[in-house]
Amino acid sequence: EAGVVQSPRYKIIEKKQPVAFWCNPISGHNTLYWYLQNLGQGPELLIRYENEEAVDDSQLPKDRFSAERLKGVDSTLKIQPAELGDSAVYLCASSPGTSDTQYFGPGTRLTVL
Amino acid sequence: AQTVTQSQPEMSVQEAETVTLSCTYDTSENNYYLFWYKQPPSRQMILVIRQEAYKQQNATENRFSVNFQKAAKSFSLKISDSQLGDTAMYFCASLYNNNDMRFGAGTRLTVKP
Repeated sequence: EAGVVQSPRYKIIEKKQPVAFWCNPISGHNTLYWYLQNLGQGPELLIRYENEEAVDDSQLPKDRFSAERLKGVDSTLKIQPAELGDSAVYLCASSPGTSDTQYFGPGTRLTVL
Repeated sequence: AQTVTQSQPEMSVQEAETVTLSCTYDTSENNYYLFWYKQPPSRQMILVIRQEAYKQQNATENRFSVNFQKAAKSFSLKISDSQLGDTAMYFCASLYNNNDMRFGAGTRLTVKP
């Protein structure tokens, strides 16, 4: 069974540019998560989807970050415009439902110059 | 606030020896789940072990076992017969009924040959 797929693995952009990350969860997993992981720290939730509905986006900086999960499968996370402080690893995870084990993708390392 | 604390930023162990990683958490909930995830330099978070809070028996997975002390809110991970491939960051995490997953800051484990 394929795991969580993310692309790209690495992205380098200049500040004020837009950037997008893509995630394909494990087949059949209804819940999808986007996490931010700064260097030397644990992941922090940005947004959680139950199917296509964003049920927890309280930690998503909505002035520059947006996300969507059309058709309740793949998801994209966008930053526009990017700032220097956005340099981090963006992790996607999925789980069969709520209160289930989360399975993580390899992450996208974003560097903003 | 529901927090997870890993008090050991770095640990090292000789190959084939046993090492214990500490984790404490703080919650007022009665039903929750606890996890240990491993994140090697490749960056992908891999589930090591999971414990349901309502179960008194400590979870084990081959060389990995936990010491779950619910009253003390302690959840330590023991790695027996350490292998070079165990070198990674280890994150303790707790999951609550509202699907809120909290991670500790991580412990960097180095297995020395």
